[in-house]
Amino acid sequence: NAGVTQTPKFQVLKTGQSMTLQCAQDMNHEYMSWYRQDPGMGLRLIHYSVGAGITDQGEVPNGYNVSRSTTEDFPLRLLSAAPSQTSVYFCASSSPGGIGELFFGEGSRLTVL
Amino acid sequence: GEDVEQSLFLSVREGDSSVINCTYTDSSSTYLYWYKQEPGAGLQLLTYIFSNMDMKQDQRLTVLLNKKDKHLSLRIADTQTGDSAIYFCAEKTSGATNKLIFGTGTLLAVQP
Repeated sequence: NAGVTQTPKFQVLKTGQSMTLQCAQDMNHEYMSWYRQDPGMGLRLIHYSVGAGITDQGEVPNGYNVSRSTTEDFPLRLLSAAPSQTSVYFCASSSPGGIGELFFGEGSRLTVL
Repeated sequence: GEDVEQSLFLSVREGDSSVINCTYTDSSSTYLYWYKQEPGAGLQLLTYIFSNMDMKQDQRLTVLLNKKDKHLSLRIADTQTGDSAIYFCAEKTSGATNKLIFGTGTLLAVQP
């Protein structure tokens, strides 16, 4: 079972460069989300989506774009990377209802120089 | 607003009990969760409690919920070195989505 797959696992960018973090899930989950993890700050929600074609902002959306053209994929785009975006990024998905358990990818570590 | 807070670090000896605490602010939360993150990995659900419960026990894990004080705790009995990890408290916000708000995480270090 693949579950939630994130790529790349590691990336180094220069300030001002753009890139896309990929996230794909094979569990037919309608809900998908992106978090960033920083020391002492826990996980903070960047963007989320309740289904294809629907996205919404989380706690820290500035500097990030998302789209949801299919149920399976939820890419996170950094249009102009800044050092403040150095972090570990996690994609997570869940099915509607139930206990709302989130299934996480293994994370993408991004360094912006 | 929604905010979930935890202490950052806890150190215990192998075989002792560990208690990790969490406070939250959204009184309309429906579910509260404990997730575990091992080094270099994503988070995995450890246990959860529905908001109308006071306590839930699952093998070595005991979750206590005090809704009046908005306080959640996780007790791990007979803590083992394999329990060393970061533990996150999370709340499911009110509404139809599965949006979870996570705490800052508590690093549990188990000394042999």
